[in-house]
Amino acid sequence: DAGVIQSPRHEVTEMGQEVTLRCKPISGHNSLFWYRQTMMRGLELLIYFNNNVPIDDSGMPEDRFSAKMPNASFSTLKIQPSEPRDSAVYFCASSFVGGLQTQYFGPGTRLLVL
Amino acid sequence: DAKTTQPPSMDCAEGRAANLPCNHSTISGNEYVYWYRQIHSQGPQYIIHGLKNNETNEMASLIITEDRKSSTLILPHATLRDTAVYYCIVMDSNYQLIWGAGTKLIIKP
Repeated sequence: DAGVIQSPRHEVTEMGQEVTLRCKPISGHNSLFWYRQTMMRGLELLIYFNNNVPIDDSGMPEDRFSAKMPNASFSTLKIQPSEPRDSAVYFCASSFVGGLQTQYFGPGTRLLVL
Repeated sequence: DAKTTQPPSMDCAEGRAANLPCNHSTISGNEYVYWYRQIHSQGPQYIIHGLKNNETNEMASLIITEDRKSSTLILPHATLRDTAVYYCIVMDSNYQLIWGAGTKLIIKP
């Protein structure tokens, strides 16, 4: 298995632009998690899906952030409009509910908003 | 939700066993202890997890005290590639991993 796939791996954009991060979970997994990591705040859970349905989005910073999971093999995290304080590494992870919830992480997307 | 406490940093000599402690004094009876690590610039990597009994896999051993209030992750023969931040995590009742600051483990030659 290729593991969790994220794209792009690096993104540099200007303030005000729309940013879309993509994630392909491990085949057969039915839970998907979006995290953000910064030096100041560490690793934070933004949102997670179970069977493509958002279960908890309480970690989403504000309305500028949105996430979708149209099918079991794809998810997006969108920031519109982006701001410099959104600069961080964004990780996607997947797991299989019904097992022991071990989450497997992707390599992350490094976002820099200028 | 249970929280964990770990030392911010530790050193270990290459080839020696690295023992990483974690306190989780408020853990509930059905909550698992998970260990992940994050090597610089990579995504967190699952290492091991346990409930009550000690566990061992190809990467590490996990020793959980009888009262379950603390645990120790053991890397039996540390190598330079084991240098990373190690996270001790207790999964909450909503099956979410609550991440702390972790222990920065530095393996020295």
